Parts: sequence; C-alpha cells; structure tokens
Amino acid sequence: NAGVTQTPKFRVLKTGQSMTLLCAQDMNHEYMYWYRQDPGMGLRLIHYSVGEGTTAKGEVPDGYNVSRLKKQNFLLGLESAAPSQTSVYFCASNTVRAGAFFGQGTRLTVV
Amino acid sequence: SQQGEEDPQALSIQEGENATMNCSYKTSINNLQWYRQNSGRGLVHLILIRSNEREKHSGRLRVTLDTSKKSSSLLITASRAADTASYFCATENQAGTALIFGKGTTLSVSS
Repeated sequence: NAGVTQTPKFRVLKTGQSMTLLCAQDMNHEYMYWYRQDPGMGLRLIHYSVGEGTTAKGEVPDGYNVSRLKKQNFLLGLESAAPSQTSVYFCASNTVRAGAFFGQGTRLTVV
Repeated sequence: SQQGEEDPQALSIQEGENATMNCSYKTSINNLQWYRQNSGRGLVHLILIRSNEREKHSGRLRVTLDTSKKSSSLLITASRAADTASYFCATENQAGTALIFGKGTTLSVSS
C-alpha cells in the first residue's frame, strides 16, 4: 500500500518552462488536494478535487492548472514557470470529513 | 485567508515537559484536525476532533475543542526529542470540500 505518491521529488525549471507534477493515491479517496509550502506561510491550497472529472480553485490558483481524469491521479501543471513558483508542493487525499494522507513533496526551483 | 491560526509560532522545551499549542479559527466547523510535519517530510495526520466532541486522546496527545471560543489546543505530554516537528491545525472550507491549514507551530524538544 503506497498511499500518496508524488513525482518528481525534485525539479529545476527555467523561467517560462512548463511542467506537470503527478500525484497518485491508491486508497480510493474521493478528495485530492495540491498545496504549496513556503517559509513562514504554512500550507496554502492551490487547487482541489472532490471527485473524478471535477476540480476547483483554492487560495492561490493563479499560474497553475489541474486535471483529475482518473480518480487515483491528480495532475498539477505549471504553464509558464516563474521564480515566485519556487516552493515545495504537496499532494494530499482523503475521504469526506476524514484525516488526509500526504505525499512526500516535490521541491521545485525556478531560475 | 487562512481559517486556522496556530499559537505560538515557535516553542522550545526540555524533554519530559508538556507542550501546548493552540489553534483559533474563524467560521463554524464540522471537525478540526491536527497534523505533524518533520523537517523535509510530508504532513502526518495526528487526530481529528468533531464539532460535537470536547476532548480527545491518542497516546500522549490530548486535543480539546471549544466551539464557543472557536479554538482548539493540542497537548503533548512528556515530550521527547522525537516530537521535534512543526504542528498544524486544519479545518474545512465553508463548503466542506477542502482542508485549509494554518501556518503552524514549530516545536523544538531538547534533551
């Protein structure tokens, strides 16, 4: 039982490049989330999904897009990376009104 | 804006002492959750307390909830060096569809 798996774990991008972060969960959870964590800012919600084929904006959605084509996968896309998107990104999943399981994070640097 | 705010931002104690962290939130909730994050790792769910509960225990953890004051506290008894981590509270957004985190309390336990 792998839980929540994020790929890649590390990535360096040049400004303007695009990339996709993949989150996979094997617990049949309905809800999935993408957060970013910056020093002193805690975790901020980027986008989330309450089920296959659905997505919604969180607190800081600008510059990101997401897709949930399969229940077990939640993709986060950066269309044109900016230095302000340098951060650690976490994916999480849970069922309704239950504790969430987190991935190990993706450390992204945009230069 | 973030729903939950932890206090204090940082806490340093000696092994064997108790550690208390507080969380205040703004709107009515269905439940409140506490998480731990070790340095460089993903968050781990510790405990969930529902709005109709006032106190909950899990091992050395004790969580209280006061819905009239919109606040919760996490008590770690007999702290160990391994408890050194950041602790976050989380509540659901108003639609009940996403988890919103505070900025966390950084706990340092020295031996």
